[in-house]
Amino acid sequence: AQTVTQSQPEMSVQEAETVTLSCTYDTSESDYYLFWYKQPPSRQMILVIRQEAYKQQNATENRFSVNFQKAAKSFSLKISDSQLGDAAMYFCAYRVTGNQFYFGTGTSLTVIP
Amino acid sequence: DTEVTQTPKHLVMGMTNKKSLKCEQHMGHRAMYWYKQKAKKPPELMFVYSYEKLSINESVPSRFSPECPNSSLLNLHLHALQPEDSALYLCASSQDQLGYTEAFFGQGTRLTVV
Repeated sequence: AQTVTQSQPEMSVQEAETVTLSCTYDTSESDYYLFWYKQPPSRQMILVIRQEAYKQQNATENRFSVNFQKAAKSFSLKISDSQLGDAAMYFCAYRVTGNQFYFGTGTSLTVIP
Repeated sequence: DTEVTQTPKHLVMGMTNKKSLKCEQHMGHRAMYWYKQKAKKPPELMFVYSYEKLSINESVPSRFSPECPNSSLLNLHLHALQPEDSALYLCASSQDQLGYTEAFFGQGTRLTVV
């Protein structure tokens, strides 16, 4: 069974500080893709960052970076220089070949001014 | 154009009504999805269409009926819904091949069944 676990239902961070959201997954596949999506109160799910499992180098997108540990099946998201607009629900997701996406339970991030 | 457009944005319907949700994308994506999302929960997959054919149906009740008229359009027909079907319904699309792997989501339709 494919599962994605986010163990932090809620997190908070001071504006301009750094926060790390954790995600673990379980799969027997060797080829897959991992994603972090952000869902602000406006409802739309927005892709933050993605990581191909075959790549050893951790993905980065501006203030967002991941720590991908394939052997540990861990995929954490680091947000640097947090901004008020980063406040949202964050979902970790996983996809194997084919069309099925599996989502974690989400982490609600609050940014404190 | 990297948008997935969903209409309507809000819908209130009675339990005896028939309504439809619409989703449109012009990115040339060949996989399209319907998800149901309750508040503060992850999206739950309902249906996947691949190359306009239904490829995944996650045991969704027959009161939800999907339709993919062409590669750009996805509909969800609703009939005789229950109050517990009230939720945010999200449409998404993705390239149906490796290398273009993320899903693009619409803004969703907030459905209330009364």
